[in-house]
Amino acid sequence: EIVLTQSPATLSLSPGERATLSCRASQSVSTFLAWYQQKPGQAPRLLIYDASNRATGIPARFSGSGSGTDFTLTISSLEPEDFADYYCHHHSNWPLTFGGGTKVEIK
Amino acid sequence: EVHLVESGGGLVQPGGSLRLSCAASGFTFSNYNMNWVRQAPGKGLEWVSFISNNGATIYYADSVKGRFTISRDNAKNSLYLQMNSLRAEDTAVYYCARLVNFDYWGQGTLVTVSS
Repeated sequence: EIVLTQSPATLSLSPGERATLSCRASQSVSTFLAWYQQKPGQAPRLLIYDASNRATGIPARFSGSGSGTDFTLTISSLEPEDFADYYCHHHSNWPLTFGGGTKVEIK
Repeated sequence: EVHLVESGGGLVQPGGSLRLSCAASGFTFSNYNMNWVRQAPGKGLEWVSFISNNGATIYYADSVKGRFTISRDNAKNSLYLQMNSLRAEDTAVYYCARLVNFDYWGQGTLVTVSS
């Protein structure tokens, strides 16, 4: 099983600041990695697929990068609606797994 | 517009059974692989099961293997999860999600396993 480790667990930032979230895989997942945003009481929403492709309707301030074992989700300038939980997920092989999540909170 | 709507959750005693359904609309259901993903209260996301578009390929997480059964009815645009021998640790919101990159999710249905 591929373990995905997200860091930091919590990121305290102010609106307008840049957010950098990390996801590290225990073995290579190539670019079969996605990022999701989840707000309280809501289902997750796909932000980035195949490591660097924005999903439909996702603002350009969200970007993904990386391949192999190290991945980054960057939010260039935080908007109030961006404060939420973020998860990475791989679909390189079975079983599919998720990272433990990063909470982006208002400082 | 893609819509996924789960139903069938509720309170069940340990050792009991429950069948979840996911009704799909807004896309050609028979062309898409589908999954169940769950989230325990206050916890992260856990993939549960996958079924290919024609039902020929199925995978399960080790935590549910032998107890849960995924199935689909393409004529009814519906996905199912039969859950048997339920345990307290199966308590979670269960989501259906499309494709292995989970591009669309339902709103979830809560399953509570408790005596």
